[in-house]
Amino acid sequence: AQSVTQLDSQVPVFEEAPVELRCNYSSSVSVYLFWYVQYPNQGLQLLLKYLSGSTLVESINGFEAEFNKSQTSFHLRKPSVHISDTAEYFCAVSDTSGTYKYIFGTGTRLKVLA
Amino acid sequence: GAGVSQSPRYKVAKRGQDVALRCDPISGHVSLFWYQQALGQGPEFLTYFQNEAQLDKSGLPSDRFFAERPEGSVSTLKIQRTQQEDSAVYLCASSSLAGAYNEQFFGPGTRLTVL
Repeated sequence: AQSVTQLDSQVPVFEEAPVELRCNYSSSVSVYLFWYVQYPNQGLQLLLKYLSGSTLVESINGFEAEFNKSQTSFHLRKPSVHISDTAEYFCAVSDTSGTYKYIFGTGTRLKVLA
Repeated sequence: GAGVSQSPRYKVAKRGQDVALRCDPISGHVSLFWYQQALGQGPEFLTYFQNEAQLDKSGLPSDRFFAERPEGSVSTLKIQRTQQEDSAVYLCASSSLAGAYNEQFFGPGTRLTVL
């Protein structure tokens, strides 16, 4: 069985400052890793994913995440945040051998301050 | 349609009532998932369909929960004799292929409140 821990329930940060949202997972098998974002009153949207290969993955809007197998982490980072990044961010894992379901963390609410 | 749609968006039920929540996945998507998201929590898996076959229902919390996808397209999640602990947002997601590596596209959810 897998589990996901997002230790920070809320992260306030000033506009143009860097941010890191932490995600740690537990699994006895290989996993795929995902970050989803939920803007107010909208559904979950995929931000980025790690399937295999390069451990650093990037999104089109400046976020990046690095898969660290030894530390079982998949932290999300952005060097300079915008007001529009205010949202809830969910980390999720799925095992690679066919159960298909996602196991989500409890989410981190990113609040970007002017 | 362009994305996954769910109806109703909001549902208020008295304890003991039956409810039915509908999901319209993206056309042609093979895989369909239901998740339950309690307040302040992440989504939790309920059940998974590949076309019309329900391949995994391990997350359904009790036998009061029932899901179907009879023609491999629209899906309905039914909750019988609702209880207050059933209050949550119910999310539907679809994916174009079977396989965990495929992106799941989520609907806006149905917020169920049981009084």
